[in-house]
Amino acid sequence: NAGVTQTPKFRILKIGQSMTLQCAQDMNHNYMYWYRQDPGMGLKLIYYSVGAGITDKGEVPNGYNVSRSTTEDFPLRLELAAPSQTSVYFCATFGSRDLHFGDGTRLSIL
Amino acid sequence: AQRVTQPEKLLSVFKGAPVELKCNYSYSGSPELFWYVQYSRQRLQLLLRHISRESIKGFTADLNKGETSFHLKKPFAQEEDSAMYYCALGDPYNFNKFYFGSGTKLNVKP
Repeated sequence: NAGVTQTPKFRILKIGQSMTLQCAQDMNHNYMYWYRQDPGMGLKLIYYSVGAGITDKGEVPNGYNVSRSTTEDFPLRLELAAPSQTSVYFCATFGSRDLHFGDGTRLSIL
Repeated sequence: AQRVTQPEKLLSVFKGAPVELKCNYSYSGSPELFWYVQYSRQRLQLLLRHISRESIKGFTADLNKGETSFHLKKPFAQEEDSAMYYCALGDPYNFNKFYFGSGTKLNVKP
């Protein structure tokens, strides 16, 4: 089992560009989450999903969009990249009463 | 509102010394509390959760409802314990959202 797989691992974007961070899981978990991790700030919830076709905003959703067409995939979209979105992004699922994280995507906006 | 506070950003101890990483929470109900750990260049992973009352890698944490605390303790720190530690709170009836503290970086010196 791969668990939670995030791609890419690293990316540099120019201001105004768009991109999609991919997240896939093979654990058949319904709950999925996107977090961003800023230095000294801990993890902030961007969006979450309780199942295919259902998504909702977390604490810091502005500038992002998500979709959940299947149980396995939960991509995060940045439409107009801004320097404030420079961060490490983690995708996670919830199952067996705890969170399972991917390796993260380190994103820099220049 | 649910909040998790980790007052120490950095904690440095010598090998063999006792360690206590503090976590306080505010929650209107009976939450589930967790400790997650992130070793260098690795993904976040569950260290322990209060409902299991377990000891992992020599770490323990007791939920003190009166003081609303869930401090992580280890009697004798090892160098391999050096990592980032996050306290997290979840609603046991609604795992739509988890709330994370800002993290404590533990540095165990030889």
